[in-house]
Amino acid sequence: AQSVTQLDSQVPVFEEAPVELRCNYSSSVSVYLFWYVQYPNQGLQLLLKYLSGSTLVKGINGFEAEFNKSQTSFHLRKPSVHISDTAEYFCAVTSFGNEKLTFGTGTRLTIIP
Amino acid sequence: GAGVSQSPSNKVTEKGKDVELRCDPISGHTALYWYRQSLGQGLEFLIYFQGNSAPDKSGLPSDRFSAERTGGSVSTLTIQRTQQEDSAVYLCASSLLPLAGSDTQYFGPGTRLTVL
Repeated sequence: AQSVTQLDSQVPVFEEAPVELRCNYSSSVSVYLFWYVQYPNQGLQLLLKYLSGSTLVKGINGFEAEFNKSQTSFHLRKPSVHISDTAEYFCAVTSFGNEKLTFGTGTRLTIIP
Repeated sequence: GAGVSQSPSNKVTEKGKDVELRCDPISGHTALYWYRQSLGQGLEFLIYFQGNSAPDKSGLPSDRFSAERTGGSVSTLTIQRTQQEDSAVYLCASSLLPLAGSDTQYFGPGTRLTVL
């Protein structure tokens, strides 16, 4: 079985400050990891994904995430946030041969002007 | 359209009524998924279709839920005898290839279902 834990349900950050959204996973097999963003009243949009290779993954809108196998983590970071980054962020995991994405409960990022 | 579309965007129904939710995947995508997003439960997998293979129904919460995919394209999720706990946003996603190939799932805007 696979699971994802997003410990922070809400993260307030001042505009232009850096942010880290935490994600830890549990799996007995090699994983594929994803970060999705959901803007208010919109569907989910892929930010980035880790499949294999380099552990530092760059995505859209200046976000990046680092896969850490020993710590079973895939934290999302951005060096300087903008008002437009206000959204809910979901971490998800799956594995080869498993078509289902298992999602975390989400982290609501609020940018303070 | 270029993306996954879902209809209706909002549906309000009375307890005990049946509802049908529709999903139009991205043209050419072979895989189609239904998820449910509800307060307290987060995002849950419901069902997965891949080509002509039998669907993976392992996420359906009860036998009141069913789904079909006609002609390998449009899908309909049906909820019979709706209950208040069925209230949620139902999301559809499609991908070009099965996720076993680690392909990205593209999500629609969702259908917000409210059961009174």
